[in-house]
Amino acid sequence: KQEVTQIPAALSVPEGENLVLNCSFTDSAIYNLQWFRQDPGKGLTSLLLIQSSQREQTSGRLNASLDKSSGRSTLYIAASQPGDSATYLCAVLDYKLSFGAGTTVTVRA
Amino acid sequence: DVKVTQSSRYLVKRTGEKVFLECVQDMDHENMFWYRQDPGLGLRLIYFSYDVKMKEKGDIPEGYSVSREKKERFSLILESASTNQTSMYLCASRQGQRNYEQYFGPGTRLTVT
Repeated sequence: KQEVTQIPAALSVPEGENLVLNCSFTDSAIYNLQWFRQDPGKGLTSLLLIQSSQREQTSGRLNASLDKSSGRSTLYIAASQPGDSATYLCAVLDYKLSFGAGTTVTVRA
Repeated sequence: DVKVTQSSRYLVKRTGEKVFLECVQDMDHENMFWYRQDPGLGLRLIYFSYDVKMKEKGDIPEGYSVSREKKERFSLILESASTNQTSMYLCASRQGQRNYEQYFGPGTRLTVT
């Protein structure tokens, strides 16, 4: 059974600092990995999708890497802003999408 | 842009009522999903559908049923609502191929009293 872990569970940084969010998974036989953002009381917003054959994916200030063999992904958010405050979830797709518990990020102005 | 909409943002129902949660997607996606999200338990898959009139049980189907009569619409039904079904319900959709993104709706916060 796939298990997805995100550490740390919470993170607080001053505005302008770079954010590094970690995701690990136990079974490397995945089709892809997806990073989501969730604001309180809202649905999930897709940020990035990395196919199993890719090493990284970029969108604006966001960059996600994937090391399938070691079962790890990292989401980098450059020059954080208060608007980046949210919970970030990673999910891996094998026969179904399995989610981590998320990292709650607070960016202090 | 893909759009997944859910019929209600907030819903309050009484124990024993039959509850319908509706989800509509506008991108002709084959796959649709229902999840519930609870603090400390994360996202759990209730049911999914990979085609019209097709459905598959997820991890926690007990107490729920689903209906997919049209490709764009996937309904979650609570036959007899109970207080332990108080939760955030999230609908999602994805194209048939596995290398596509999954998109979520805004969620329905259901309270059963």
